[in-house]
Amino acid sequence: GNSVTQMEGPVTLSEEAFLTINCTYTATGYPSLFWYVQYPGEGLQLLLKATKADDKGSNKGFEATYRKETTSFHLEKGSVQVSDSAVYFCALRGSGGSYIPTFGRGTSLIVHP
Amino acid sequence: SQTIHQWPATLVQPVGSPLSLECTVEGTSNPNLYWYRQAAGRGLQLLFYSVGIGQISSEVPQNLSASRPQDRQFILSSKKLLLSDSGFYLCAWSATGTSGYEQYFGPGTRLTVT
Repeated sequence: GNSVTQMEGPVTLSEEAFLTINCTYTATGYPSLFWYVQYPGEGLQLLLKATKADDKGSNKGFEATYRKETTSFHLEKGSVQVSDSAVYFCALRGSGGSYIPTFGRGTSLIVHP
Repeated sequence: SQTIHQWPATLVQPVGSPLSLECTVEGTSNPNLYWYRQAAGRGLQLLFYSVGIGQISSEVPQNLSASRPQDRQFILSSKKLLLSDSGFYLCAWSATGTSGYEQYFGPGTRLTVT
């Protein structure tokens, strides 16, 4: 079956530091890949997505590239802000008739001033 | 534009009491609908999903049930709550179809069973 593996958190950074949150996946075919963000006490929000190999999703300074050769979709941001503190979830939706997304366990990001 | 509503926002219920959480979606038709539970500090657990009125699939055995009485309404219920039912319940929808479609989540319901 499909699976998503994210790096363990929490990730603790100072403001303006570079962020990488690793995500690798296992899936057959050509899944669509997503990053969601969850701020404290809220539901998840779509941050970015990529639907085919070599696509780069980007939003709010975050970006991730769909790497089929390494089955990865790492999230990056060049300069984090305190307001980026949240939990980040990597997810995929398989091709070929699946209604069910597969989520990683989430990575907590804490940004200090 | 599409919106998703959940209520109540918070709920404190005693063990053995019934439960009804409601989710409604506006601005789209025939969505796929999902109920998730998130325990404190943990990831998402898919409880139920629905691809149409009256069509419910359960992902985990439990004392919860779900119903979809209308196209854009999804209800999570229990006849008798357990302490282990405490958590953050999230409803989500996605467009009809199977690939490339992201999910949109509601604001969640914080349930505490005492």
